[in-house]
Amino acid sequence: SYEVTQPSSLSVSAGQTANITCSGNKLGDRYVSWYQQRPGQSPVLVMYQDNKRPSGIPERFSGFNSGDTATLTISGTQAVDEAHYYCQEWESSTSWVFGGGTKVTVL
Amino acid sequence: EVQLVESGGALVQPGGSLRLSCAASGFTFGTYWMHWVRQAPGKGLVWVARINNFGTESPYADSVKGRFTISRDNAKNTLYLQMNSLRVDDTAVYYCARDGPNMSAFDIWGQGTMVTVSS
Repeated sequence: SYEVTQPSSLSVSAGQTANITCSGNKLGDRYVSWYQQRPGQSPVLVMYQDNKRPSGIPERFSGFNSGDTATLTISGTQAVDEAHYYCQEWESSTSWVFGGGTKVTVL
Repeated sequence: EVQLVESGGALVQPGGSLRLSCAASGFTFGTYWMHWVRQAPGKGLVWVARINNFGTESPYADSVKGRFTISRDNAKNTLYLQMNSLRVDDTAVYYCARDGPNMSAFDIWGQGTMVTVSS
């Protein structure tokens, strides 16, 4: 079965840029979505189809997917962005795979 | 307001059964595919099952195939997950989620319901 891999943690200073990666074999051939999960809360979709932001998601969130790596970028990271972030790949309509999640800490 | 509300989580013994429900409101439930996703304590998200809008097609994760059954009642705007032969490693928060329109992603999530399998 297909697998996607994320770093377990990432620290970023407030106001700086956070790049959260998701890796998988030929991941660029698949759609990637990203979810933010704050402690004790449900996941929230922050990016879909690689680089599209749902309504209400701040412009500081952007996405890119090519080759074997997808990246979620948070520009001007704020304290409110501290959360776990999960990538998810979509290649068919019969199976969905999540990455293990990256805990983002804002210093 | 678009909303999903899960219920039915409980403490159950290994080998037991449980049925989860997910009540949808604020959108035309019968036109969307729906999913169940679970999250074990302190762990990541794992997709469990999906059902199409007619309830005629439902793929499952290998870990639950043959034990869990996803279903829906469009007249009642409700999604279900029947869980049989429960194991300790089924312990998790179970979320229902909506398959976003032309998004290839889950755009709406419920608050989750906790299932604990323990003797």
